[in-house]
Amino acid sequence: AQRVTQPEKLLSVFKGAPVELKCNYSYSGSPELFWYVQYSRQRLQLLLRHISRESIKGFTADLNKGETSFHLKKPFAQEEDSAMYYCALSSNTGKLIFGQGTTLQVKP
Amino acid sequence: EAQVTQNPRYLITVTGKKLTVTCSQNMNHEYMSWYRQDPGLGLRQIYYSMNVEVTDKGDVPEGYKVSRKEKRNFPLILESPSPNQTSLYFCASTPFRGGGANVLTFGAGSRLTVL
Repeated sequence: AQRVTQPEKLLSVFKGAPVELKCNYSYSGSPELFWYVQYSRQRLQLLLRHISRESIKGFTADLNKGETSFHLKKPFAQEEDSAMYYCALSSNTGKLIFGQGTTLQVKP
Repeated sequence: EAQVTQNPRYLITVTGKKLTVTCSQNMNHEYMSWYRQDPGLGLRQIYYSMNVEVTDKGDVPEGYKVSRKEKRNFPLILESPSPNQTSLYFCASTPFRGGGANVLTFGAGSRLTVL
């Protein structure tokens, strides 16, 4: 079964601390994985995707097929990073499956 | 401006009264999808469409219908709404080039309350 799991509902850190938002997936094939972000009162938007292997707003995510994980990391959290983060998996049939979401709270 | 537009943005209705939430995109995207967002459950896919006249069930299709008669529109129909359909609904679209959905562009969301 295809599944995306984000084990933490809420992650609270202080400004300047490292951040790691966990994402594990279950998929029998080659997954395409994304991180989406929803800032307060804004639309959901793409943060990054594993194919691009880029760093956006200081965030990176590496696909680990052995551990079936796609954790989102940032070395130094900023207050403006506070938002809801969703990990998502795209199957080759067109389904796009989201995790439960993790709220990141960065305290001053 | 390239965007996905949903209407209404807010709606309070009563059990059993049919309603339609419209979704329109101006980017000529093949793929469109509906999601509901509930606390602790994240985003769950209701229905999706990979092109005109092609629709498929997502993970939570019960109680919903969709149609895709034109490329730009993908309305979500609740024939007989019930309180458990109270939720925040998102429409999204993307170009579909095979091998899976591409990056989604989301609408602003429609908050539906069924009394």
